[in-house]
Amino acid sequence: AAGVIQSPRHLIKEKRETATLKCYPIPRHDTVYWYQQGPGQDPQFLISFYEKMQSDKGSIPDRFSAQQFSDYHSELNMSSLELGDSALYFCASSLGAWHSGANVLTFGAGSRLTVL
Amino acid sequence: AQSVTQLGSHVSVSEGALVLLRCNYSSSVPPYLFWYVQYPNQGLQLLLKYTTGATLVKGINGFEAEFKKSETSFHLTKPSAHMSDAAEYFCAVSLTGGGNKLTFGTGTQLKVEL
Repeated sequence: AAGVIQSPRHLIKEKRETATLKCYPIPRHDTVYWYQQGPGQDPQFLISFYEKMQSDKGSIPDRFSAQQFSDYHSELNMSSLELGDSALYFCASSLGAWHSGANVLTFGAGSRLTVL
Repeated sequence: AQSVTQLGSHVSVSEGALVLLRCNYSSSVPPYLFWYVQYPNQGLQLLLKYTTGATLVKGINGFEAEFKKSETSFHLTKPSAHMSDAAEYFCAVSLTGGGNKLTFGTGTQLKVEL
């Protein structure tokens, strides 16, 4: 079965550079979520999109932005990178309209960003 | 707002022994509860979930969990640990009407020894 595809799997950047992560949800999933997992930390919710509109916002820095496109894939753009941005970034997708609840998030394998 | 507390950041068991990973939640509305497993350098895989109905839920790899509203708990168990169970386990909660967003606990690293 098709899963959530994230690219790139690994990314190395210098401080103050920009990075873009991509996420391709499971076909027919209309909701995408981004999570950040620092070393030894639990995943922290950044932002989500439903039907190409931002549906919820968590602890996403102002230097980060994201969007969901017409084909439902999503991109997370990170600018002015800092050492503390080094983390594993997960994308997840789910079915279901906003407020439906109970739908399972399926996670991708993650994109590991290292900022030097 | 909702939150999840996992007691014990590291749990070590012998192969064949009972696995018990503890999770307590706080929620102002009926929660949906999940357990995810993460193997090294991999993504999060759903083990099991509780939404409504039967409070004892069975998941993959022989794991099960029981939702106890009176104790606000959702502990994960497995009767007999296997070496392949060594991983990090996250308990998570989402809210009814909350759009599926998950809030995770801090995780429990399970070590299985011979």
